[in-house]
Amino acid sequence: DTGVSQDPRHKITKRGQNVTFRCDPISEHNRLYWYRQTLGQGPEFLTYFQNEAQLEKSRLLSDRFSAERPKGSFSTLEIQRTEQGDSAMYLCASSLESIWLASSDTQYFGPGTRLTVL
Amino acid sequence: ELKVEQNPLFLSMQEGKNYTIYCNYSTTSDRLYWYRQDPGKSLESLFVLLSNGAVKQEGRLMASLDTKARLSTLHITAAVHDLSATYFCAWMSSNYKLTFGKGTLLTVNP
Repeated sequence: DTGVSQDPRHKITKRGQNVTFRCDPISEHNRLYWYRQTLGQGPEFLTYFQNEAQLEKSRLLSDRFSAERPKGSFSTLEIQRTEQGDSAMYLCASSLESIWLASSDTQYFGPGTRLTVL
Repeated sequence: ELKVEQNPLFLSMQEGKNYTIYCNYSTTSDRLYWYRQDPGKSLESLFVLLSNGAVKQEGRLMASLDTKARLSTLHITAAVHDLSATYFCAWMSSNYKLTFGKGTLLTVNP
C-alpha cells in the first residue's frame, strides 16, 4: 500500500500526558498537512509543511502543539499536557507540488489517529 | 472569515432517486474539492474542480462549479445503498489550506 499512513491508529491517554503521532506521506509528495476532526464536523486545518519547512500554522495550534518534519519525509505531531478538549481524530494528508498551472493539488488523507483524553 | 456552507446536512434518500447537495463558499476560488468519508474512516478524494463551469462525473455522482455564484453542486443519480456516506466539499486557499464544510450525511434506503 503506497498511501498515507499514520501511527498509532488509536491512542487513549490521561489528561496531562504528552502524546506523539506519526505520519508517513505518499513517497514522492513534498507537501504534508495536519488536520483535526471532531464528531459531526469537517476537518480543520492545523499546519502545513513544504518539504521540511513549516509554512503555515492555524490559530487552533496552541503552544502545547508542535509539529516537525525533520527530513522532509515523515512528520510528527506532539501534544503536550493533553486536555479533554484535544480528543479528536487527527488526520494527515499529503500532496505533490506541480509546476503545471492546471495541477489539482489534491490532498490525499491517511486513516487518522483517534485520540481520547480521559 | 472564510465560510463553506453545505446543505442539506442530513439527507435520507430512497434507492433510485436523484438529489443534489449544495456547497456555497464566501470567497472566490478556482479550486473546489469533494471528498467522501465512510463511518470511522478517512477521507477519499472524489472530485477536484479547477475552473468556472467545470463538470466532473464518476458513476452516479456528478460535481459542478460556478465560481461567479460561489457554488458547487454534487448531484446523485439513481442512488444506491453503497453511496451512503458523509460528503464534504472543501475550498482551497492560495496557501493550499483546505477549508471544509460541515458535511452532508447521506443515507440511501432500500
